[in-house]
Amino acid sequence: EVQLVESGGGLVQPGGSLRLSCAASGIAFRTYWMSWVRQAPGKGLEWVANIKEDGNEKLYMDSVRGRFTISRDNAKNSVYLQMNSLRAEDTAVYYCARDSGGYVDSWGQGTLVTVSS
Amino acid sequence: SYELIQPLSVSVALGQTAGLSCGGNNIGNKNVHWYQQKPGQAPVLVLYRDTNRPSGIPERFSGSNSGNTATLTISRTQAGDEADYYCQVWDSSSGGVFGGGTKLTVL
Repeated sequence: EVQLVESGGGLVQPGGSLRLSCAASGIAFRTYWMSWVRQAPGKGLEWVANIKEDGNEKLYMDSVRGRFTISRDNAKNSVYLQMNSLRAEDTAVYYCARDSGGYVDSWGQGTLVTVSS
Repeated sequence: SYELIQPLSVSVALGQTAGLSCGGNNIGNKNVHWYQQKPGQAPVLVLYRDTNRPSGIPERFSGSNSGNTATLTISRTQAGDEADYYCQVWDSSSGGVFGGGTKLTVL
């Protein structure tokens, strides 16, 4: 059974930083792209970033490019999202997701990030 | 950037058929995926690549995609189908793109 467990969310001030982690189990982690998808309170889903199996290709949505960095450690079956220069509009539940060729077939339960003073 | 348009809400009578649309420019040329999300839960994939059902998804869920509209069809709708539904595509310039979501109400 696939399990994706996020951690690292919390309350942070505008301009601050936070690092999200996602630990995967039950999957051949190193053979999948991995993604982060977020959902602001009461809003829809929004793709944030994804990373290739070997970590050599990374893609970002426009509003986070240059502020967020996705990375992975295949030895630890983990993917990360370093978030800098956080803004109020980054407030959301962040989901770790397994990418199966353009779509997500497994989701974590999410971790809440709140950006507020 | 590529955009997907979904109606905010759709209502269907219990046991009837619901059609949820997803509009996008030449979406028929893309693979469309659909997710179901119930309150307080993570999304669940219900259809991928237009018409394919993941393991465990009932045959009542089906899809089509042509021209500028993709459609998720739910037959013999049950109370447990009440949820938010999102369509999604991968666009080479925009990355992952989700529609705004449709709230399905089962009457």
